[in-house]
Amino acid sequence: ETGVTQTPRHLVMGMTNKKSLKCEQHLGHNAMYWYKQSAKKPLELMFVYNFKEQTENNSVPSRFSPECPNSSHLFLHLHTLQPEDSALYLCASSQEGASVTQYFGPGTRLTVL
Amino acid sequence: AQTVTQSQPEMSVQEAETVTLSCTYDTSESDYYLFWYKQPPSRQMILVIRQEAYKQQNATENRFSVNFQKAAKSFSLKISDSQLGDAAMYFCAYRSDLGETSGSRLTFGEGTQLTVNP
Repeated sequence: ETGVTQTPRHLVMGMTNKKSLKCEQHLGHNAMYWYKQSAKKPLELMFVYNFKEQTENNSVPSRFSPECPNSSHLFLHLHTLQPEDSALYLCASSQEGASVTQYFGPGTRLTVL
Repeated sequence: AQTVTQSQPEMSVQEAETVTLSCTYDTSESDYYLFWYKQPPSRQMILVIRQEAYKQQNATENRFSVNFQKAAKSFSLKISDSQLGDAAMYFCAYRSDLGETSGSRLTFGEGTQLTVNP
């Protein structure tokens, strides 16, 4: 599945580091999403972008900062994270107003030391 | 707020047999979408099947079919002729519309780990 790509696939960072996760969709969709998947918890929606505008921030701490420069790219900037932020971060995209199905990338496995 | 419940943390099935995974949800909306996704060890979330609530006919995709009971708010997944490659975590998800130009939200259940025995 190459419709939605994510880089890096694995990331280890210290609590004082700054890093960014990248997502790119090749499906021509108009909406993009960040989800967090922690061990033994259901997937949690973090952010929604529709036509490059952020439309949902699901009470996410400010140490997570999303950026959507265009409808194909989505970033998640990370700074001063905590060990409990270690998780799988999944990006998804959809064509709202049409098929509405969300298609997911392979995820970035983040470990915060 | 919508909630999605998968009451079976683990299920197992013999190869070539049939298995049914359960999902219930809670909503006050009348029009919505429901999905089943699978997540194999690679962690890639893969769409299995989707159901539109206004359609009475149950969705089918090859060996995968659903039993959608709108009044009971139940959405089970049946896998026929199970194959080793079907082994994965299966998630039920409910789609909420955030507004005409605002995208949507998927609410996921906690998942059912399916093991396929040879």
